[in-house]
Amino acid sequence: QQPVQSPQAVILREGEDAVINCSSSKALYSVHWYRQKHGEAPVFLMILLKGGEQKGHEKISASFNEKKQQSSLYLTASQLSYSGTYFCGTHTGFQKLVFGTGTRLLVSP
Amino acid sequence: SQTIHQWPATLVQPVGSPLSLECTVEGTSNPNLYWYRQAAGRGLQLLFYSVGIGQISSEVPQNLSASRPQDRQFILSSKKLLLSDSGFYLCAWSSGLRGKGEQYFGPGTRLTVT
Repeated sequence: QQPVQSPQAVILREGEDAVINCSSSKALYSVHWYRQKHGEAPVFLMILLKGGEQKGHEKISASFNEKKQQSSLYLTASQLSYSGTYFCGTHTGFQKLVFGTGTRLLVSP
Repeated sequence: SQTIHQWPATLVQPVGSPLSLECTVEGTSNPNLYWYRQAAGRGLQLLFYSVGIGQISSEVPQNLSASRPQDRQFILSSKKLLLSDSGFYLCAWSSGLRGKGEQYFGPGTRLTVT
């Protein structure tokens, strides 16, 4: 079943912060985060493994709560280049990912 | 370093015509390979994945098929296209059991069925 992301869309001013959530109904081995700019292919940002770890990429970080089967992506001091659609991908033990519903982020000057 | 190629970049085909999209990966061996479709403004739908030559797993029943004739080549085909086949087709690879499952996408093929 497809993970649910919230919010569906968010508009930020440059420099503001945002949180994107990803929730699954299944037990997770890992959570992946991708960003897709308009008209382009998704780009891998980071992967979080079991153990509640947090990782970072530029000023983007994420957490993974395996008990709650949830992950959150934190964007701090957003830049114009952060605009795009963010997808989480959940790994349930097979050689494939199930991607979430997506969150559209627009950062304006 | 690894590189993934897809072609063609764009394609306009009439309903009922055949389809063949190709994806190749360079710089790695024994990758897992994936085909996704993305309708306009929508999410990523997994169509097929392959963990080895000749091994294809289908995720959705439809008029598409996939083949993996070589280790780093993945082909998506259709005998007769439908209007609903329009979309952005993405090929991706991952390192299989050697990696943690992160996937890297090709540039995509934008297909319009008229």
